[in-house]
Amino acid sequence: QQPVQSPQAVILREGEDAVINCSSSKALYSVHWYRQKHGEAPVFLMILLKGGEQMRHEKISASFNEKKQQSSLYLTASQLSYSGTYFCGTEDNQGGKLIFGQGTELSVKP
Amino acid sequence: NAGVTQTPKFQVLKTGQSMTLQCAQDMNHEYMSWYRQDPGMGLRLIHYSVGAGITDQGEVPNGYNVSRSTTEDFPLRLLSAAPSQTSVYFCASSYGAGHYEQYFGPGTRLTVT
Repeated sequence: QQPVQSPQAVILREGEDAVINCSSSKALYSVHWYRQKHGEAPVFLMILLKGGEQMRHEKISASFNEKKQQSSLYLTASQLSYSGTYFCGTEDNQGGKLIFGQGTELSVKP
Repeated sequence: NAGVTQTPKFQVLKTGQSMTLQCAQDMNHEYMSWYRQDPGMGLRLIHYSVGAGITDQGEVPNGYNVSRSTTEDFPLRLLSAAPSQTSVYFCASSYGAGHYEQYFGPGTRLTVT
């Protein structure tokens, strides 16, 4: 089953912060985060593993709450280059399948 | 390294035609997968492979076949194209299953009329 992302879309001014959430109905082994620019392929941001630490990529960080089967992506002091669609992908304990959510479209305005 | 390559970039098919989307990687990755992307639906897993000779179904496998005879190649076959298969198709590869970074190809935009 696809994880559920929220919000579906968000508009920010440059320098503002945002949080994107990803939740699953299944116990999770790992959570991936990717960003896709319009017309391009998704690009890896970070992976969070069960029992692992919070990860960071530049001014973007993420957390993974195993008990709630949720992950959140935190974008701090957003830049114009952060615009795009963000996808979370989840792997359950069975392994092998990486299932993505429906995406969150982020627009950063000057 | 070329990374993950996909051919063709664009394709138009008529309903009922068959074709193969090609995917190749030169990173010696064991894990490869196919996704389709439709507006509002995110990336949906079609088929995946954890190594040469091993394939398995994803979320939306109907109408598609795959095989993995070599580590490098993972072709996706549309048996009898339908308008519902109009989509952008991405191939991805990684060192292993799940907890490794996925590298995506540039995508194939397929239109079925």
